[in-house]
Amino acid sequence: TQLLEQSPQFLSIQEGENLTVYCNSSSVFSSLQWYRQEPGEGPVLLVTVVTGGEVKKLKRLTFQFGDARKDSSLHITAAQPGDTGLYLCAGAIETGANNLFFGTGTRLTVIP
Amino acid sequence: KAGVTQTPRYLIKTRGQQVTLSCSPISGHRSVSWYQQTPGQGLQFLFEYFSETQRNKGNFPGRFSGRQFSNSRSEMNVSTLELGDSALYLCASAHSPLTGTNEKLFFGSGTQLSVL
Repeated sequence: TQLLEQSPQFLSIQEGENLTVYCNSSSVFSSLQWYRQEPGEGPVLLVTVVTGGEVKKLKRLTFQFGDARKDSSLHITAAQPGDTGLYLCAGAIETGANNLFFGTGTRLTVIP
Repeated sequence: KAGVTQTPRYLIKTRGQQVTLSCSPISGHRSVSWYQQTPGQGLQFLFEYFSETQRNKGNFPGRFSGRQFSNSRSEMNVSTLELGDSALYLCASAHSPLTGTNEKLFFGSGTQLSVL
């Protein structure tokens, strides 16, 4: 049983389209992180959100933490082929804890 | 600054054998965590070490163990290997476990273990 469920599991879109990835749980997290992982590499941290309702922007990526700190979303505007990869959300139950609970992952393919 | 280094990159073992994986964290980082990644279960937390002490442990059997040395380098060991242990084993380092702050984890490229 996964603590964090991501949807969709797979996403294939054309360059220039917008997309949203969801990360849902019934548990409350002190913080939630989003990572991107490329083949043959480890995950790379994109953002950390800690406050319920918080919105963070990273160029064309917008991250939101749910008000109740149980869910999060990642929105990509005008997707580029370089956005292709496995997107993972990860939650920490305790503040400062490094034992993260990872989501099931969303594999995104952006077609040129 | 060098990143997190994991060795070996690939490993093939047979059932019943044991294996030791190594992780060198980023210089100055004192926390090292280990994760197992499989297609079916995704990324799952194994354990975390800080200052040579295990600080957190995931829900894995006792066949999985680890340790950390005084220079923060860490090793994990899996004994009596099973087919289901085939996975990418990832190590992540963090600067320090300051209370009340959320650490930024830096992952290595992993060790791909295949158990035949």
